[in-house]
Parts: sequence; structure tokens; C-alpha cells
Amino acid sequence: QSALTQPRSVSGSPGQSVTISCTGTSSDVGGYNSVSWYQQHPGKAPKLMIYDVSERPSGVPDRFSGSKSGNTASLTISGLQAEDEADYYCCSYAGSYTYWVFGGGTKLTVL
Amino acid sequence: QVQLQESGPGLVKPSETLSLTCTVSGGSISSYSWNWIRQPPGKGLEWIGFIYYSGSTNYNPSLKSRVTISLDTSKSQFSLKLSSVTAADTAVYYCARRSGHWFDPWGQGTLVTVSS
Repeated sequence: QSALTQPRSVSGSPGQSVTISCTGTSSDVGGYNSVSWYQQHPGKAPKLMIYDVSERPSGVPDRFSGSKSGNTASLTISGLQAEDEADYYCCSYAGSYTYWVFGGGTKLTVL
Repeated sequence: QVQLQESGPGLVKPSETLSLTCTVSGGSISSYSWNWIRQPPGKGLEWIGFIYYSGSTNYNPSLKSRVTISLDTSKSQFSLKLSSVTAADTAVYYCARRSGHWFDPWGQGTLVTVSS
């Protein structure tokens, strides 16, 4: 059982927007502005999409955005494209004992 | 552009020690934090531990008693040893560089199966 809770799956049609939630506790998501998001295509390594809750690395389309409210972080993908179909994982810093915890992953299907 | 590549045996017997190496190219290993993360088949990601370029380490509390991560700056490599493995340790093992509180880039991953 993963430390952070994500929906198992979400879906949307091309051009639409989807939001993936990531719920933790005040010891991880709620306690630090240190949430990151990763995209993973089948058989591939995870790719960083968002860091520090809402920062986008260079090269990541601005269709990807992140936010946080309380103990829940969210990844929003707008203008869905076929290539966005993948698994998405959230990760949060959880202090100097546990360090980093991940969500169980969300499968995004582009209809 | 920094690239990471995992290497090591793909099959380990129960109760033995899993050993993997990550080779860093395109950048210096003498900075940042170098991490191991694993993903059991069909499951989510689990952070295993890290080593700083200085040699200091920290591990996931759930694995701490079995994990050792070491660094060889002369070879631009860092390594993972996980002892007393069981079938539950079967996973794709990734190495990754950490900046701040995020992981980027990652290696391509290597599948390690624990089976007799």
C-alpha cells in the first residue's frame, strides 16, 4: 500500500482537461512544498513533469500544471493529446526519517 | 546531458544479496545526491535510499537493515546491495539523480527477479 493515495485511473478525450489527485498527510504533502510528478510510458523510465508542487522543468509543455491544497496535490493536464496516455506518479518529501514517498500511480487513458 | 545506466544480474536466489551498479555519464558524480528507486511488477514506486557525493547515506526505514549504497567517484559509479532477498524484492530497479526534492534524470531500469 502506497503512502500517497491516487485514483487508479482517469480518462479524457483529446483536447479536454483532466486532473489527477494525490492525497497524503500533514507529514508529507501538507507539510512541505516538495511534491513532484512523473510520467511513465509502458516499459520506460519515469520522466519528471512537475517539481516543487508547480514548477515545470524545461521541455515539459505548459499544458502540464501542478497545485496543492492542504494535504492534496493535483496534476492538471489541459488540451489532452494521445501521447499523454501514460501512468502518472506523485512523490512527496516526508521529512528526514521517511524521506520520499510515492503514490500508487494513476493510469491516464486518452479516449 | 547526464545519463544513468543500471547494470547487474537479472536473477538472484532467495536469501542471497542483490547487487547493482549505476554508471553516470555526461556529468560529474561529485555533486548531487544519487538514489535507488524500485518498482515491483505492476505496482508503484518505492524509494530505497541515496548517497551524497560526500559519501553520506540515508535509507528507507523499511529496508534500512538490508541496504547498503556505496560510491566510486573514480569510476563515476554508485552501487546498491540488498541482502537476504525474497520474492517481494522482485522489481525493476532504477537509479536516479536527485536535485532538491525531485528525481531527474532516471536510468532506464533493470529487472531483478528473485527466484531459485
